[in-house]
Amino acid sequence: DGGITQSPKYLFRKEGQNVTLSCEQNLNHDAMYWYRQDPGQGLRLIYYSQIVNDFQKGDIAEGYSVSREKKESFPLTVTSAQKNPTAFYLCASSGYGGRMNTEAFFGQGTRLTVV
Amino acid sequence: AQKITQTQPGMFVQEKEAVTLDCTYDTSDPSYGLFWYKQPSSGEMIFLIYQGSYDQQNATEGRYSLNFQKARKSANLVISASQLGDSAMYFCAMREIQGAQKLVFGQGTRLTINP
Repeated sequence: DGGITQSPKYLFRKEGQNVTLSCEQNLNHDAMYWYRQDPGQGLRLIYYSQIVNDFQKGDIAEGYSVSREKKESFPLTVTSAQKNPTAFYLCASSGYGGRMNTEAFFGQGTRLTVV
Repeated sequence: AQKITQTQPGMFVQEKEAVTLDCTYDTSDPSYGLFWYKQPSSGEMIFLIYQGSYDQQNATEGRYSLNFQKARKSANLVISASQLGDSAMYFCAMREIQGAQKLVFGQGTRLTINP
């Protein structure tokens, strides 16, 4: 089955640690996105990528880093510079190239908690 | 700048009634796509409906329809004959066709259906 997989589902981070959230898709999608969602809030864009080896900062990129070495994978690293990382993180992918009606497909999310 | 605004933090509706969720947007790109997603308490994101900026007719998908008023830059979601299972967060989103095709979301509306 085609889809997008995030892991782990739950993640606990100690103060000062870097952690990496995994996102893998087998939908052959060019575009991938990372969003942060705080309780009762909307989705805020962290980073996005339209092609391999290229990505752009979203609205809240500070304290986060990404890589896009393969089309299928778009891992997100939450660095120690992110002062309030506790949140729900969603990864998404979609088609690209001017086809506007291609909806984004989402993973199940990773809930990150700082302990 | 690309922006989505949802002004209703919460809505309460009686079962079987119709409900309209508001969404306004701002963009300078003449070509864009508008999306609505549903997020139940489980956290998954479920795609509901799409409207393209050049579509002549309002989009419909089963009980969902989109009231698209381009001049007013609004794309309201209408749910007919609401059901208890419609209780969830609802997000409006937009993607411009130019540039990096960033996908941005509004703050969401929490819809509660009362029996």
